[in-house]
Amino acid sequence: GENVEQHPSTLSVQEGDSAVIKCTYSDSASNYFPWYKQELGKRPQLIIDIRSNVGEKKDQRIAVTLNKTAKHFSLHITETQPEDSAVYFCAASMGNAGGTSYGKLTFGQGTILTVHP
Amino acid sequence: EPEVTQTPSHQVTQMGQEVILRCVPISNHLYFYWYRQILGQKVEFLVSFYNNEISEKSEIFDDQFSVERPDGSNFTLKIRSTKLEDSAMYFCASSNRHSLDQPQHFGDGTRLSIL
Repeated sequence: GENVEQHPSTLSVQEGDSAVIKCTYSDSASNYFPWYKQELGKRPQLIIDIRSNVGEKKDQRIAVTLNKTAKHFSLHITETQPEDSAVYFCAASMGNAGGTSYGKLTFGQGTILTVHP
Repeated sequence: EPEVTQTPSHQVTQMGQEVILRCVPISNHLYFYWYRQILGQKVEFLVSFYNNEISEKSEIFDDQFSVERPDGSNFTLKIRSTKLEDSAMYFCASSNRHSLDQPQHFGDGTRLSIL
């Protein structure tokens, strides 16, 4: 089955700096890669996602890049703010892989991001 | 914005007892999921449910687990005889389709504590 590795496990940055979190996946059939932000005791919230037919996607301060050949994808947060502090999870899914997959998400281990004021 | 709702927020149960965790998915969604997250660890897939049947399940989802959609709105996860290692946060999620343009929306979770 799919395996997703995420690095680093913790990331500490100063406010205004950029943060980059990287994930690799094992199954080349995966074609949907969401990123979730989870604050302490709260639900995972989707912040951005990318499909396999796209190499990069940006939404304000957040961007995600995908390298299908190397099977890795990354989250980039620019101009970080203290409220960006949270655990970030990457995930991979086969989406509708010929009707054999029903959208199961395989998550990475998570990155604890701390943004210091 | 519509949300997935879960009850209870916290459930404390003696080992060996049965528990039922409840979820109300977003009303026009058709695909339902349960995930769990052991404290400090990653989110793990348990089961997906579509058209009133299980579509996929993980090795965690053994015979002690079952899911049901008893009416048009609720989606439940039952653990028949709980073990200490079942202690975790359980998240319900739903999506409109399982294709690439419909992300999964998560509920706030139920924290299950087994004593």
